[in-house]
Amino acid sequence: SQKIEQNSEALNIQEGKTATLTCNYTNYSPAYLQWYRQDPGRGPVFLLLIRENEKEKRKERLKVTFDTTLKQSLFHITASQPADSATYLCALGEPGGSYIPTFGRGTSLIVHP
Amino acid sequence: DAGVIQSPRHEVTEMGQEVTLRCKPISGHNSLFWYRQTMMRGLELLIYFNNNVPIDDSGMPEDRFSAKMPNASFSTLKIQPSEPRDSAVYFCASSNHGSHNYEQYFGPGTRLTVT
Repeated sequence: SQKIEQNSEALNIQEGKTATLTCNYTNYSPAYLQWYRQDPGRGPVFLLLIRENEKEKRKERLKVTFDTTLKQSLFHITASQPADSATYLCALGEPGGSYIPTFGRGTSLIVHP
Repeated sequence: DAGVIQSPRHEVTEMGQEVTLRCKPISGHNSLFWYRQTMMRGLELLIYFNNNVPIDDSGMPEDRFSAKMPNASFSTLKIQPSEPRDSAVYFCASSNHGSHNYEQYFGPGTRLTVT
């Protein structure tokens, strides 16, 4: 089965800086990789999807990269704001386009004003 | 659209009692998922329905857990009898099987505490 690794330690950064979160996986290359945001007491919210044949995807201040050689995805938030503080989860979809992604445990981001 | 609706939001019960969690998916979505989230294990898939039919229940911990989806707008997750180790946040999520991004829409969760 797929093993997904996200940094369990919180990432603390200053407002205005770029936050970079990492998602590593250990087995097969996923067909796609998603990033979700989860606020305390709420369910995860979908942010972005990147497919196995894509290197980079952007949406407003968000950028996701996908390196199948390194088995890694990086999630960037540029010009970070305190409102970006949340837990960010990556989720991997199996080859063949499974509708059931496997979730990582998430990394907490804290943006200080 | 109200999004995915779950009830109750909080449930505190004693060990051995039956617990029923409820979910109303987003109208028009044909897939429904039940997850459990804990600090130790993260977000775990328990069961997945497509068009009201259970497709994958390999994540259901044991026979004490059961889930039903009698129609497209309602699902239940039942734990009988409940145990303290079942304490967690239970999420229901729905999606459109034909979605380009495979995104799932999560409900607010039910925080279950079994004493």
